[in-house]
Amino acid sequence: DSGVTQTPKHLITATGQRVTLRCSPRSGDLSVYWYQQSLDQGLQFLIQYYNGEERAKGNILERFSAQQFPDLHSELNLSSLELGDSALYFCASSVVAGDTIYFGEGSWLTVV
Amino acid sequence: KNQVEQSPQSLIILEGKNCTLQCNYTVSPFSNLRWYKQDTGRGPVSLTIMTFSENTKSNGRYTATLDADTKQSSLHITASQLSDSASYICVVNSGNTPLVFGKGTRLSVIA
Repeated sequence: DSGVTQTPKHLITATGQRVTLRCSPRSGDLSVYWYQQSLDQGLQFLIQYYNGEERAKGNILERFSAQQFPDLHSELNLSSLELGDSALYFCASSVVAGDTIYFGEGSWLTVV
Repeated sequence: KNQVEQSPQSLIILEGKNCTLQCNYTVSPFSNLRWYKQDTGRGPVSLTIMTFSENTKSNGRYTATLDADTKQSSLHITASQLSDSASYICVVNSGNTPLVFGKGTRLSVIA
């Protein structure tokens, strides 16, 4: 158990809908990262937050947004969902940027 | 462009055999390099972390090497077990986010 908690574990939704994925980082970790992993693909970096502030942005679509709250948990919002958004979404956390990052177990999103 | 290339893309070995996975990177500047193990459908788990000054680091049956001059790393697995079947991901940290991930090597260990 990495200490990073993600909910929900599985989610099935229709195209055009909006979903929110939630992440609680390890206790004491200030950095939160979001990654997308499509079937048989590598991990694609989406976005990073540090202590509530956006730190880095990767290949995140405009339909996606994220935030980190004062209690350090984070949410990834995916809207106007398309079939191609079906993937495993990972949250990870670290004490500070550059430190070892610990991954959650992921949220499986299936768009039908 | 910062990139991490891993080879082979996939590998099948018999239980008990050894194998070596390769990672070449062009990331600069270099801060550290990590190897992660990802079981299918699970989150990646860190195996080792290597800094510029380290050449070899072991974690049980896993031994990682780093040649910072040639920008190459390897992960050697000895006496493989069925539970070693997973994807192994090389990740390079430049000190500037984000981390650069390789696409991974998928290892299958068969009886």
